[in-house]
Amino acid sequence: GENVEQHPSTLSVQEGDSAVIKCTYSDSASNYFPWYKQELGKRPQLIIDIRSNVGEKKDQRIAVTLNKTAKHFSLHITETQPEDSAVYFCAASEGNNRLAFGKGNQVVVIP
Amino acid sequence: EAGVAQSPRYKIIEKRQSVAFWCNPISGHATLYWYQQILGQGPKLLIQFQNNGVVDDSQLPKDRFSAERLKGVDSTLKIQPAKLEDSAVYLCASSLVPVNSPLHFGNGTRLTVT
Repeated sequence: GENVEQHPSTLSVQEGDSAVIKCTYSDSASNYFPWYKQELGKRPQLIIDIRSNVGEKKDQRIAVTLNKTAKHFSLHITETQPEDSAVYFCAASEGNNRLAFGKGNQVVVIP
Repeated sequence: EAGVAQSPRYKIIEKRQSVAFWCNPISGHATLYWYQQILGQGPKLLIQFQNNGVVDDSQLPKDRFSAERLKGVDSTLKIQPAKLEDSAVYLCASSLVPVNSPLHFGNGTRLTVT
């Protein structure tokens, strides 16, 4: 099955700086890669997703880049704000369309 | 639109007891999922329904877990008997289509087994 890993497990950034989280996957057949944000005690919420026919996607301060050859994709958050503090989960679709989630990255934005 | 509704929010039971969770998906979403999220880990799919049929239950511990979605809308997930390692947040999610589609999660049920 699909193996999804996220690095680093915890990331601290100064408010206003950029944050980058990298996710690697193992199944070359994966074709859908979403990122979810989960604040403490709350539900995971989709913040951005990308499909394998696209290399980059941007939505305001958030962007995702995909490198299919290297089998990794990254979440980029620019001009970080305190409300960006959360756990971010990446996921990759398996061959049967099941989503395999990573263990999550804790992002802490320091005011 | 109303989100995915789940109940209860919290449940504490002793091992070997049984427990049931309820989920009402977003109106019009034919696909419903139950995920287990253990503390410090990402969500793990337990079962996926398309309308009232099971699409994927390969990771459901069928000796103790069961789920149903009889009328293709609401769903219940049951654990009987519970074990200590079942302590987790049980998340229900729904999506408009079953393939490569954004998941809309409910707030989850936090289960503690003592």
